[in-house]
Amino acid sequence: NAGVMQNPRHLVRRRGQEARLRCSPMKGHSHVYWYRQLPEEGLKFMVYLQKENIIDESGMPKERFSAEFPKEGPSILRIQQVVRGDSAAYFCASSPVREDTQYFGPGTRLTVL
Amino acid sequence: QKEVEQDPGPLSVPEGAIVSLNCTYSNSAFQYFMWYRQYSRKGPELLMYTYSSGNKEDGRFTAQVDKSSKYISLFIRDSQPSDSATYLCALKGGSEKLVFGKGTKLTVNP
Repeated sequence: NAGVMQNPRHLVRRRGQEARLRCSPMKGHSHVYWYRQLPEEGLKFMVYLQKENIIDESGMPKERFSAEFPKEGPSILRIQQVVRGDSAAYFCASSPVREDTQYFGPGTRLTVL
Repeated sequence: QKEVEQDPGPLSVPEGAIVSLNCTYSNSAFQYFMWYRQYSRKGPELLMYTYSSGNKEDGRFTAQVDKSSKYISLFIRDSQPSDSATYLCALKGGSEKLVFGKGTKLTVNP
């Protein structure tokens, strides 16, 4: 049973470009969560999605960041017009139902030059 | 006051030692308590998951929750060099988001 999959594992962008991070949840999991880990900081919640619905985006920056989890395909975290401060590790987690524990993927490490 | 406080360490112990890792929290709404292990440049791996006060044991790991003191602990018995990692406490309550401590970096020396 494959775990949570994220790609790419490493992503390099220049300032002003767009970054697209993908997350495929574990089989049977319909809840997806995105977290960001800045250098020397803890993991911070960004957004919680179910298929075709954003449930909680209280941790998402108001501008440039968006997330989706379409009916078919992986969840996407999109960062438009990236800036150096966006450089971080972005982790996706999934769970089968609400109020269940979250299983994390290996992360995407974004570097903005 | 931060929602979750965790001493970042670093913590260095000899192989075979008992390790004690702790977090304190301020929000009484937290009802679910987790410990994750994160190796360098890897994703967090779930170690323990509890939702009530008391102890929960799994092999060499014991998780302890004291809701009255808002204090949670993870004990590692007979520590091994392979336990060297960063340990993250994570709490949940009132919403589905996990609130993490900053993590404690542990090194177990052979």
